[in-house]
Amino acid sequence: NAGVTQTPKFQVLKTGQSMTLQCAQDMNHNSMYWYRQDPGMGLRLIYYSASEGTTDKGEVPNGYNVSRLNKREFSLRLESAAPSQTSVYFCASTLVGGRTDTQYFGPGTRLTVL
Amino acid sequence: EDQVTQSPEALRLQEGESSSLNCSYTVSGLRGLFWYRQDPGKGPEFLFTLYSAGEEKEKERLKATLTKKESFLHITAPKPEDSATYLCAALAGGSYIPTFGRGTSLIVHP
Repeated sequence: NAGVTQTPKFQVLKTGQSMTLQCAQDMNHNSMYWYRQDPGMGLRLIYYSASEGTTDKGEVPNGYNVSRLNKREFSLRLESAAPSQTSVYFCASTLVGGRTDTQYFGPGTRLTVL
Repeated sequence: EDQVTQSPEALRLQEGESSSLNCSYTVSGLRGLFWYRQDPGKGPEFLFTLYSAGEEKEKERLKATLTKKESFLHITAPKPEDSATYLCAALAGGSYIPTFGRGTSLIVHP
């Protein structure tokens, strides 16, 4: 099992460019999440998908869109990148209603917007 | 509003010097309390889940305990490789979204 995988690992964008961050899990989890992590701010939830076919806003959704492509994949799109979106992005997944409800995280995407 | 507060923010220990990290939580109907380890440049790595007051779990030099208001991560005789940021998160009953603390940065000097 690979667990949660994310691509790309690193990305540099210019202001106004767009990109999509990809996330996939092979643990048969039903819920998936996108967080950003900034120094001194901790993990902040951007969007989540409680189950296939549903998505909801988290704490900091502005400037982002998501797609739950299927049960395994959950992508995060920046339509017009801004320097304030420079951050480390983590995808996570969990089996809600399962034995533990524990979130498992991917390795992260380090994004710099110039 | 659900809240999780971790203390201290940073902790420096000598190798072999045992200590504890604190995670205070305020959530409605705790369903689970999670501990993670995060190394620089990597994603959080799951350590423990605790479900009810009085529960304890151990892994190598780490032991996590839970009361009705807080959780402790005890580190016994730490080694330099235990240096990392330790994150705590609490999940309220009926919620899909855990509330994370900001973490404790632990440095263990040889």
